Amino acid sequence: GESVGLHLPTLSVQEGDNSIINCAYSNSASDYFIWYKQESGKGPQFIIDIRSNMDKRQGQRVTVLLNKTVKHLSLQIAATQPGDSAVYFCAENSQGAQKLVFGQGTRLTINP
Amino acid sequence: DAGVIQSPRHEVTEMGQEVTLRCKPISGHDYLFWYRQTMMRGLELLIYFNNNVPIDDSGMPEDRFSAKMPNASFSTLKIQPSEPRDSAVYFCASSAHDTQYFGPGTRLTVL
Repeated sequence: GESVGLHLPTLSVQEGDNSIINCAYSNSASDYFIWYKQESGKGPQFIIDIRSNMDKRQGQRVTVLLNKTVKHLSLQIAATQPGDSAVYFCAENSQGAQKLVFGQGTRLTINP
Repeated sequence: DAGVIQSPRHEVTEMGQEVTLRCKPISGHDYLFWYRQTMMRGLELLIYFNNNVPIDDSGMPEDRFSAKMPNASFSTLKIQPSEPRDSAVYFCASSAHDTQYFGPGTRLTVL
């Protein structure tokens, strides 16, 4: 039979609105978290990171929030633009480990 | 500064042929990672090196896959013999600390 690919969660937002992409992680020992953006035909691009001793970090138009109590990570994109259309991945690793564990990704689409 | 460089960007080959993918990490980075991305499995870590030494190859699917890093500025991922199920996008990434920076990938198609 035909193979079925991953069914990525999809988030559709209006251009100019704020976007919030969520990610749950499972390893309570994880202490470093990264968000990547992957556009079609390109490699994952680093957006922003956060360590477990913080609960919020801001970049240019992006904010990452970390809730260690419920093991939840979110990426907020302000004033979403067409160029923000991509698949967004969260990734985590634990102190001393170099292996990143990636989430399945969320596809963000921007409606004009 | 140049990012991670991969070549070729696209490779089409026939089943049974040997395929070699190449990667040049960011200068000064001492970790290098090889990933494979497919629709079915998403992004999978195949192997990673530290200071040119393979540290963890548990993600390498089978003996047909091998990776080398002869020096700090070059790594190869070889598939011999290639099979249609190896068709995927292969990414190389490098890091100096925690943050990994990815190359543009090589899209491999095995017919």
